[in-house]
Amino acid sequence: ETTVTQSPASLSMAVGEKVSISCKTSTDIDDDMNWYQQKSGEAPKLLISEGNTLRPGVPSRFSSSGYGTDFVFTINNVLLGDEGIYYCQQSDNVPYTFGAGTKLELK
Amino acid sequence: EVQLVESGGGLVKPGSSLKLSCVASGFTFSSYGMHWIRQAPKKGLEWIALIYYDSSNKYYADSVKGRFTISRDNSKNTLYLEMNSLRSEDTAMYYCAKEGANSDYFDYWGQGVMVTVSS
Repeated sequence: ETTVTQSPASLSMAVGEKVSISCKTSTDIDDDMNWYQQKSGEAPKLLISEGNTLRPGVPSRFSSSGYGTDFVFTINNVLLGDEGIYYCQQSDNVPYTFGAGTKLELK
Repeated sequence: EVQLVESGGGLVKPGSSLKLSCVASGFTFSSYGMHWIRQAPKKGLEWIALIYYDSSNKYYADSVKGRFTISRDNSKNTLYLEMNSLRSEDTAMYYCAKEGANSDYFDYWGQGVMVTVSS
């Protein structure tokens, strides 16, 4: 089973700052990493899929990078509406595993 | 517009059974694999089951293997999760999710259905 280690657990940022979230996997997963946003009381929403592919309709402020075992998710110019919990998920092998989540709060 | 609507949740006692349903619309259901993912209260996301588009393969997380069964009826555009021998640790919001194109990320999610296992 591939373990996904996500950090940090929480962030408190000011509007306009840059957010970076890291996910490290215990096995090489090529570029099979995905990123989700979950707002309070809602289902998760896919933001970025394998190969660092931004999903349709997702602002270009969101991006990701990485290959193999180290991945980074970035939000440039963070906005109030970006508050929520962000999860990474590997889709390379069963069982598909998620990081523990990063809670993003805006000051 | 893709829609996934879960139903069948509720409060049940430990050891009992429950069957969840997820009705899909807005895409060709019979062409896509489908997943169940759960989230315990105030906790993270846990993938629990996958079924191929044609039901030819099914995969489970170890935490539910042997107790839960995923199935689908492509004629009814419906995904199911039969849950037996329920435990308190199965208490969670259960989401159905559609697989992405030829890959196992989750591009659309239902709103979720709550299952509470308590005596």
